[in-house]
Amino acid sequence: EPEVTQTPSHQVTQMGQEVILRCVPISNHLYFYWYRQILGQKVEFLVSFYNNEISEKSEIFDDQFSVERPDGSNFTLKIRSTKLEDSAMYFCASRLAGATQETQYFGPGTRLLVL
Amino acid sequence: SQKIEQNSEALNIQEGKTATLTCNYTNYSPAYLQWYRQDPGRGPVFLLLIRENEKEKRKERLKVTFDTTLKQSLFHITASQPADSATYLCALTTGFQKLVFGTGTRLLVSP
Repeated sequence: EPEVTQTPSHQVTQMGQEVILRCVPISNHLYFYWYRQILGQKVEFLVSFYNNEISEKSEIFDDQFSVERPDGSNFTLKIRSTKLEDSAMYFCASRLAGATQETQYFGPGTRLLVL
Repeated sequence: SQKIEQNSEALNIQEGKTATLTCNYTNYSPAYLQWYRQDPGRGPVFLLLIRENEKEKRKERLKVTFDTTLKQSLFHITASQPADSATYLCALTTGFQKLVFGTGTRLLVSP
């Protein structure tokens, strides 16, 4: 069964460094998302992406964050200058297009630790 | 303000019993609601979706109800098994299809 994959599974970085989290969505999906989950808290929406542009973003998704679909398969989240509070699990999700194709499928996540 | 509330305390039940989890929401008008399972350190796994015009949805041992008047969804697992132990997340969808999650309810099924 097709699934969303994410790399790396774990990332440790120093405060102020740039990180890029990578996702390979399910191949025929057209909507892509990033969510994050701080330890012990709920899953929070960051950004949605469709047709090569951001369709919605949350307040969390400030100028330090960016997303890109550099080729036909990858979807990336970049954090330009990481802060301690960026430490969290980051989940990528994707879904089909279409009015009845609402289900989002999540990847296993990248655990980001900012020191 | 908008809220999605799930029981924050863990639900402990015995194997074979029916687990019932609750999701209440305020100040949302979701077109549909989804339930996900999350194991520690893993991503949410989709279980069931129910639309606003549906009262009930079933899949194997799982059943979801959706009452838009009460603004509540109930999630049932019948004949529960220890392998069902996990955190169950309720998620609403708003305008642009982003998911808004509740805090989740941890289910523990004892043998």
